[in-house]
Amino acid sequence: DSGVTQTPKHLITATGQRVTLRCSPRSGDLSVYWYQQSLDQGLQFLIQYYNGEERAKGNILERFSAQQFPDLHSELNLSSLELGDSALYFCASSVGRDFNYGYTFGSGTRLTVV
Amino acid sequence: AQKITQTQPGMFVQEKEAVTLDCTYDTSDQSYGLFWYKQPSSGEMIFLIYQGSYDEQNATEGRYSLNFQKARKSANLVISASQLGDSAMYFCAMRPGAGSYQLTFGKGTKLSVIP
Repeated sequence: DSGVTQTPKHLITATGQRVTLRCSPRSGDLSVYWYQQSLDQGLQFLIQYYNGEERAKGNILERFSAQQFPDLHSELNLSSLELGDSALYFCASSVGRDFNYGYTFGSGTRLTVV
Repeated sequence: AQKITQTQPGMFVQEKEAVTLDCTYDTSDQSYGLFWYKQPSSGEMIFLIYQGSYDEQNATEGRYSLNFQKARKSANLVISASQLGDSAMYFCAMRPGAGSYQLTFGKGTKLSVIP
């Protein structure tokens, strides 16, 4: 157990729908990062939050949004889902805004859009 | 823009042998970090090893070592004494210069360990 908890582990939904992925960071970690892993694009950084504030943005679609709550858990909201959004979505956490070693990844949420 | 290239889509290695997984990177930053992650078939991402651009010695973590050649912009992962449990996808990743927190990943190498 990495200490980063992601729920749900699997999600199957229809095109056009909206889903919310949840992440609880490792105890003491203030930064949360979201990544998308798809077959064609590989692992791509989506967004980072640090202590409740958005810190960095990557290749995140406008249909996607995220937030980090006061208890430091984070949610990634995906709306108007398309078949191409099917992917493994990872959350990771680290202590500070910067890090010298690898983040700790959660086990991922596998999203299937049908 | 930063780029990570892993040229070996798949590799096979005999159990107990050593194997080298290649990684080259492209960056104009002077300060950066290089990482290797393992992703078993179960899907989780497991941190293996880190090398900072200013580190003078190659990083080692147990059976994992990173062959860092800065001038050639390569950061190859060496796994010694391969085990069946080493069969997985391996990703090389880079953190660009100070102030950037996102990792750029390569496409990965699938390693299969043969008994």
